[in-house]
Amino acid sequence: AQSVAQPEDQVNVAEGNPLTVKCTYSVSGNPYLFWYVQYPNRGLQFLLKYITGDNLVKGSYGFEAEFNKSQTSFHLKKPSALVSDSALYFCAVRIRNTGFQKLVFGTGTRLLVSP
Amino acid sequence: EAQVTQNPRYLITVTGKKLTVTCSQNMNHEYMSWYRQDPGLGLRQIYYSMNVEVTDKGDVPEGYKVSRKEKRNFPLILESPSPNQTSLYFCASSLGDPAFQPQHFGDGTRLSIL
Repeated sequence: AQSVAQPEDQVNVAEGNPLTVKCTYSVSGNPYLFWYVQYPNRGLQFLLKYITGDNLVKGSYGFEAEFNKSQTSFHLKKPSALVSDSALYFCAVRIRNTGFQKLVFGTGTRLLVSP
Repeated sequence: EAQVTQNPRYLITVTGKKLTVTCSQNMNHEYMSWYRQDPGLGLRQIYYSMNVEVTDKGDVPEGYKVSRKEKRNFPLILESPSPNQTSLYFCASSLGDPAFQPQHFGDGTRLSIL
């Protein structure tokens, strides 16, 4: 079955340390992948997407994501975390079937960056 | 400023009392969607619209209605709300198919159905 998974409910990291938020997927065909961030009491905001091309995708707020086809992963990364990065992060993937395609979101990972 | 505006932001109501959540976007986007967000389930699409007068069901459409009479507006209607529709709702818009294009989201509407 086609799906997207975020295996960690929460990630804790100290300010200044590198952070990684994990995302794995299972799709038929070429994967189209997105990361969105949700700050408290706000809607989701687009961070970055992978459609094709370089495996390292750069996005907003200093975030980047690495597409790994062999591991079917699209992990979100940042070299140096900020307290203000604390938020809920969602990975999303295009799922395609005969006659339709749609975007499916993961269950979200809460990132807590401590001072 | 490009934005998606939802109203109300918060609503507490009772079972069976019809309600409408409004959504408006100022970016001339073709696509609009409604999602609900529940703990442990992420975002699930309720309905979407590809253009004026064109709507289709998402993954969890039961108990909801939508309409798209104008390009900028996409209201969500709960004809007879029930407690299992208590959730956080988001409206989103995109220039094209959200499977390819980034979406802009409203700030959400928290509904409590008693």
